[in-house]
Amino acid sequence: DAGITQSPRHKVTETGTPVTLRCHQTENHRYMYWYRQDPGHGLRLIHYSYGVKDTDKGEVSDGYSVSRSKTEDFLLTLESATSSQTSVYFCAISEGYDYNEQFFGPGTRLTVL
Amino acid sequence: GQNIDQPTEMTATEGAIVQINCTYQTSGFNGLFWYQQHAGEAPTFLSYNVLDGLEEKGRFSSFLSRSKGYSYLLLKELQMKDSASYLCAAMDSNYQLIWGAGTKLIIKP
Repeated sequence: DAGITQSPRHKVTETGTPVTLRCHQTENHRYMYWYRQDPGHGLRLIHYSYGVKDTDKGEVSDGYSVSRSKTEDFLLTLESATSSQTSVYFCAISEGYDYNEQFFGPGTRLTVL
Repeated sequence: GQNIDQPTEMTATEGAIVQINCTYQTSGFNGLFWYQQHAGEAPTFLSYNVLDGLEEKGRFSSFLSRSKGYSYLLLKELQMKDSASYLCAAMDSNYQLIWGAGTKLIIKP
């Protein structure tokens, strides 16, 4: 299994509070991704990174920011959490950006009350 | 717009064969992925097709028709552990994955 961990695995927070989710990899893969998964929807890309300090927006980036200061860590921040951000968040990594399978972390279940 | 369609749920019997279909519409196309996701777990890679035809990998096979925007995943000799959701994802011209909502496969004894 690819070495990807996410923390925390579960979190309950209140509307308006900031939340940071962490993704850590030991594979030295260049590309890292944050997705959210909601019932009835496919995985939706929030942000991705193609190197240290190199990030770009995905399909559903509003309300989220990311940072990557080291190859192994990719942080997702909800500046002011809203109930619509209740979801399961998955981090993924890949060696390349094209034709490369993505390996997923175990996920973080976030509930915003 | 970009869109992936796959059935929401399918039921099959242990030992049988099941085919899960996926149709896609994307801006450009750079391949079609299938992933398996057990309840409460992360998706795991099953297959990748970029050329027309059938790719076989043990009990699982995946087919692609680029002209029809169509793919299917074929699972043979079904086992109870195959009960999971199967996710279809197409890679567009920007190499971004567009994901279907997944097909929940229920295996009955």
